[in-house]
Amino acid sequence: QLVLTQSPSASASLGASVKLTCTLSSGHSSYAIAWHQQQPEKGPRYLMKLYSDGSHTKGDGIPDRLSGSSSGAERYLTISSLQSEDEADYYCQTWGTGIVVFGGGTKLTVL
Amino acid sequence: QVQLVESGGGVVQPGRSLRLSCAASGFTFRNYGMHWVRQAPGKGLEWVAVIWYDGTNKYYTDSVKGRFTISRDNSKNTLYLQMNSLRAEDTAVYYCARGDCSTSCYLVDYWGQGTLVTVSS
Repeated sequence: QLVLTQSPSASASLGASVKLTCTLSSGHSSYAIAWHQQQPEKGPRYLMKLYSDGSHTKGDGIPDRLSGSSSGAERYLTISSLQSEDEADYYCQTWGTGIVVFGGGTKLTVL
Repeated sequence: QVQLVESGGGVVQPGRSLRLSCAASGFTFRNYGMHWVRQAPGKGLEWVAVIWYDGTNKYYTDSVKGRFTISRDNSKNTLYLQMNSLRAEDTAVYYCARGDCSTSCYLVDYWGQGTLVTVSS
């Protein structure tokens, strides 16, 4: 069964860096994913697509301080130079034939 | 710029029907897959359905199969979600989203702002 697992919460200080993790279920380690951000009281925003080799393509207007990487079944989103507007929920998304799956989301708090 | 504007949400009694619409602009609608994704109050994102750019393929999450129907009118740049036999657990903000078929129609690369559907007696 295709499942994405995310930690419910993360925190880091203003100006620091944070690395969020999305883990693919067993047997799905080659799958690509997408990362999405949802700021409080707003609709989601697409950040990037991320492949198993770590290559990634960002969406329109996504700043350079956001980047993606991969290792095995894990997909990462790294945010550098944290700003207050980075405080949001972050979701990963993947897909198979006839199905789309979202992770449970990670709530990022900027201290 | 890409715009997706949902409409049609509201309060509806259990067992009744509702149709959501999504008006798309700023891109060639007929070249992209389209999704509905929902978010119950205080919860995460839940994928609902996808339709291929030409309408040939449609897929649904299990909990809405047989009750919801996704469709599109490429001449009107509009996506629809017909929701029948609504249940309390269908209460959510419903987002229209674009699928990037150059990678995979399943990959969401733009989102609307959402429309709230409340199922309550």
